[in-house]
Amino acid sequence: DSGVTQTPKHLITATGQRVTLRCSPRSGDLSVYWYQQSLDQGLQFLIHYYNGEERAKGNILERFSAQQFPDLHSELNLSSLELGDSALYFCASSSRGGDSTDTQYFGPGTRLTVL
Amino acid sequence: QKEVEQDPGPLSVPEGAIVSLNCTYSNSAFQYFMWYRQYSRKGPELLMYTYSSGNKEDGRFTAQVDKSSKYISLFIRDSQPSDSATYLCAPGGTSYGKLTFGQGTILTVHP
Repeated sequence: DSGVTQTPKHLITATGQRVTLRCSPRSGDLSVYWYQQSLDQGLQFLIHYYNGEERAKGNILERFSAQQFPDLHSELNLSSLELGDSALYFCASSSRGGDSTDTQYFGPGTRLTVL
Repeated sequence: QKEVEQDPGPLSVPEGAIVSLNCTYSNSAFQYFMWYRQYSRKGPELLMYTYSSGNKEDGRFTAQVDKSSKYISLFIRDSQPSDSATYLCAPGGTSYGKLTFGQGTILTVHP
C-alpha cells in the first residue's frame, strides 16, 4: 500500500457526462500528479500540482481540469466524456516539487468506463 | 515517433533465468531514468532509479543507462514467479515531475 488513496475505484458513465476523480496524497506529500493509462497510449502524464499550484502540464485535454485544495487533496474533473476517455486514471504523490530525486508513489487508480 | 520506445513483449521465462528489459528514447533532455513495476490491477511502484550513464545494482536488479546511445536496460537475475508483472521505463527531467513512460513489457516467470 503506497499511502495514496483514490476514489472511486470504478466509475461507469455515459458519453457527454461529467465526472470527478478524487485523490488523497500520502501524509506530508506536497505534490500530486495525474496520469492516464490506456491500452493504446500507455501511461501518460496529465498534470502536476505542487502545494496548490499547477507546476507542469502534459497531454491533458481541454475538457479535463484539475485542482489541488488547501488540504492537499486533488480532484480531476473530466467533462463531455467520450468513449475514448475510458481508461485507468492514476494519481501519484511525492514529498517535494518533482525534482530528480523526488519519488512518485502511485495510488491504486480509478477505472473509468464511458458507455 | 514516440519519445520512449519499449518492446511490449510479452516475455516468458523459466524461474531462475536472467531477464533483460530494454527501452530507447529520443529526447536528449531526459536527465534521470526510472524503472517501475506494475502488478495486475495495481498502481506502478518504483523499482530502480538512475541519474547518469552507467550501472546501478539493487539486489537482483541492475539498471543500466547509456546516454550516448539513448538506451536504458533493466536486468533481473535469478528471476522468480513473483517478478511476473509489467515493467515500465520512465525517463524524466524535461519538466518538474513529468515522467514519460514506455509502453511497458509484460513479463511472466514460470516455475
